[in-house]
Amino acid sequence: DTAVSQTPKYLVTQMGNDKSIKCEQNLGHDTMYWYKQDSKKFLKIMFSYNNKELIINETVPNRFSPKSPDKAHLNLHINSLELGDSAVYFCASSQHQGSSGNTIYFGEGSWLTVV
Amino acid sequence: GESVGLHLPTLSVQEGDNSIINCAYSNSASDYFIWYKQESGKGPQFIIDIRSNMDKRQGQRVTVLLNKTVKHLSLQIAATQPGDSAVYFCAENIGGATNKLIFGTGTLLAVQP
Repeated sequence: DTAVSQTPKYLVTQMGNDKSIKCEQNLGHDTMYWYKQDSKKFLKIMFSYNNKELIINETVPNRFSPKSPDKAHLNLHINSLELGDSAVYFCASSQHQGSSGNTIYFGEGSWLTVV
Repeated sequence: GESVGLHLPTLSVQEGDNSIINCAYSNSASDYFIWYKQESGKGPQFIIDIRSNMDKRQGQRVTVLLNKTVKHLSLQIAATQPGDSAVYFCAENIGGATNKLIFGTGTLLAVQP
């Protein structure tokens, strides 16, 4: 009964390929996020969606396209993968957007390695 | 596992001792702060939070202190156990409509038996 689940956990792919990471939350939350963690463990937000609507887009290259078919799912599609895309990608969710005090819960991460 | 050449600030403590992990945040308008624990190979896990109208909050074995004057946050862990070994992140919420968390660089807590 994992709250925020993402697949795949590990992904090794060649430069230039297109890949997707899927995320689902069963918490009934309205808001979902994608975060990227680099090799130095630095965590940075990429996107947030609230009820399928894009709220935050942190100047991420347009090779990254999030898609939210419903408020329980937020998938991340990456085109033309580059070596620098290698990182751990975390999906997360919170009950709603706005007004602080709104805890964000993270998934277990998807380790992407581009070779 | 850890990357070769990864140099996080590290706090090494003996099992049973108290640990204090410090964090400086950047935005004086931030109104909500969270500490997360990240074990190897896992996602960040919520530990404790505090709003800007408080200066101290206690949980089970953990206490968070907030000093808004110097924009400083600390996490105190009492009677540190081997299971507390992890990377700890503070995060600040700059408030407003977007619930955007800004994470600190992380501190590796190593508990020696």
